[in-house]
Amino acid sequence: EIVLTQSPATLSLSPGERATLSCRASQSVSSYLAWYQQKPGQAPRLLIYDASNRATGIPGRFSGSGSGTDFTLTISSLEPEDFAVYYCQQRSNWPITFGQGTRLEIK
Amino acid sequence: QVQLVESGGGVVQPGGSLRLSCAASGFTFSSYGIHWVRQAPGKGLEWVAFIRYDGSYKYYRDSVKGRFTISRDNSKNTLYLQMSSLRVEDTAVYYCAKDHGSTVTNNWFDPWGQGTLVTVSS
Repeated sequence: EIVLTQSPATLSLSPGERATLSCRASQSVSSYLAWYQQKPGQAPRLLIYDASNRATGIPGRFSGSGSGTDFTLTISSLEPEDFAVYYCQQRSNWPITFGQGTRLEIK
Repeated sequence: QVQLVESGGGVVQPGGSLRLSCAASGFTFSSYGIHWVRQAPGKGLEWVAFIRYDGSYKYYRDSVKGRFTISRDNSKNTLYLQMSSLRVEDTAVYYCAKDHGSTVTNNWFDPWGQGTLVTVSS
């Protein structure tokens, strides 16, 4: 099973700042990585797939990069609605696995 | 718009059974694979099972193999998860999620339903 490790566990930033979230895979997943956002009491929402493709309706301030084992989700300028938990997910191998999440909180 | 609505959750004793349903609308259900993903209270996401658009392939995580069965009725636009021999560690919100790709599975989840809570407790 591929293990995804996200860092940091918690990120404290202010609106307008740039956020950089990391996801590291225990073995190469090529570009088969996605990012999801989950707000309290809500289902997750797909943000990025295939490492760098924004899903439909996702604002341009969200971008993804990386390949192999190291990936990054960047939010260029934080909006109040961006404070949430973010998960990475790989589809390179069964079983599909998720990272443990990064909580992005308001500083 | 695309909508997925789960139902069937509840409280069940260890060793018991439960069947979850996921009613789909707003898209051609018979053209998309569907997944079940769960989230234990206060914890992260865990993929559970997948069924191909035509039901011809099914995949499960090891911890539920032999206990859970995923199925679908394309005539009713509905997905099911039959859960038996339930354990305390199966307690979670269960989400159904549409595969992002049509007929060609790509294993991205978009969108998700609102989830249904399953509690396994004596």
